[in-house]
Amino acid sequence: QVQLQESGPGLVKSSETLSLTCSVSGVAVTGSSYYWAWVRQSPGKGLEWIGNVYGTGGNYYNPSLKSRVTISVDMSKNQFSLDLTSVTAADTAVYYCARQYCSGDDCYRLFDWGQGTLVTVSS
Amino acid sequence: SYDLTQPPSVSVTPGQTATITCSGDKLGERFVSWYQQKPGQSPMVVIYQNSKRPSGIPARLSGSNSGNTATLTISGTQATDEADYYCQAWDSRTVVFGGGTKLTVL
Repeated sequence: QVQLQESGPGLVKSSETLSLTCSVSGVAVTGSSYYWAWVRQSPGKGLEWIGNVYGTGGNYYNPSLKSRVTISVDMSKNQFSLDLTSVTAADTAVYYCARQYCSGDDCYRLFDWGQGTLVTVSS
Repeated sequence: SYDLTQPPSVSVTPGQTATITCSGDKLGERFVSWYQQKPGQSPMVVIYQNSKRPSGIPARLSGSNSGNTATLTISGTQATDEADYYCQAWDSRTVVFGGGTKLTVL
């Protein structure tokens, strides 16, 4: 059974960097055909995909966030991480990590979601 | 950027069929996934590759995709189907989500 669990600060100050980690159990993050993704949901709003990373390197990012986002993998810990710089109140959201199926240059469904973690950006 | 449009809300009485649409330019040429999200829970994929159901998803949930519209159909709707539903596609190396549809079971 694959499980994902987000961790990180629940409160980040405006203009600072939001850093979250997703711990993966039940499968190696280096497995083929799978990318590891971050999705966020502002309070009362819809889903926004942030980006993903392949286990051995390679990323896709949401163009609207690309200049501020880095998603990386730590194979030794079977984890992947999100760094979002220069945060503002608009970055307040529940952040989810998830496994994403990709093939070639195309990515598809997101599955095996974490429970989500609320990050609030304070001024 | 690519946009997916969903109706904000759909209402259905128990036992009836609920239809949730997702519209986008030439959407039928892409694979669409659908996610169900209940209050306080993480999203869960209920349909992928337009019409496939993950294990554990009941057969009364079905999907189709043609032209500019993908459709999630819930037959014999139950109270437990009340949730937000999101469609999702891939465009220009980016995941795109629809705005979401709140399904209310009256």
